[in-house]
Amino acid sequence: EAGVVQSPRYKIIEKKQPVAFWCNPISGHNTLYWYRQNLGQGPELLIRYENEEAVDDSQLPKDRFSAERLKGVDSTLKIQPAELGDSAVYLCASSLNSGITDTQYFGPGTRLTVL
Amino acid sequence: AQSVTQLDSQVPVFEEAPVELRCNYSSSVSVYLFWYVQYPNQGLQLLLKYLSGSTLVESINGFEAEFNKSQTSFHLRKPSVHISDTAEYFCAVTRNTGGFKTIFGAGTRLFVKA
Repeated sequence: EAGVVQSPRYKIIEKKQPVAFWCNPISGHNTLYWYRQNLGQGPELLIRYENEEAVDDSQLPKDRFSAERLKGVDSTLKIQPAELGDSAVYLCASSLNSGITDTQYFGPGTRLTVL
Repeated sequence: AQSVTQLDSQVPVFEEAPVELRCNYSSSVSVYLFWYVQYPNQGLQLLLKYLSGSTLVESINGFEAEFNKSQTSFHLRKPSVHISDTAEYFCAVTRNTGGFKTIFGAGTRLFVKA
């Protein structure tokens, strides 16, 4: 069974440029998460989808970040414009359902460097 | 609100020695507790979890963790580590009422030396 796929794995951009990350969850998983992991810290939830609906986006900086999960499968996270402080690893995870005890499966992440 | 504190950012240990990675949490409601492992260049993987029942939970690769409600701790232990256990370990908590969000600790880097 394929795991969570993320692309690109690495991205280097200059500040004020836009950037987008793509995630393909495990087949059949209804719940998808985007996390941001700053250097030396644990992941922090940005947004959680149940199918195509964003059910928790309270930590998403909506002035510059946007996300979508069309058709309830793949998801894209976008930053426009990027700032120096956005340098981090962006993790996508999926779970079968949205229950508290449903195991989250993580992708390898996209490492973003903003110069 | 809940929070997670991993007391050690790095733990160096010799191969075949025992190890304990410490995790304390705070929460006003009951929580579920998790340990995740992140090997170099890989995504986080669930290592073990405490949901209910026995306070001692085990993983398939010899790690165990004990939920201690009075001390609000969920320390991870292994009696004899291998080089292949070198990784970053994250403790996480999820509250079990009124919607959920998983909060991760900052991580502990376990470095096993030959």
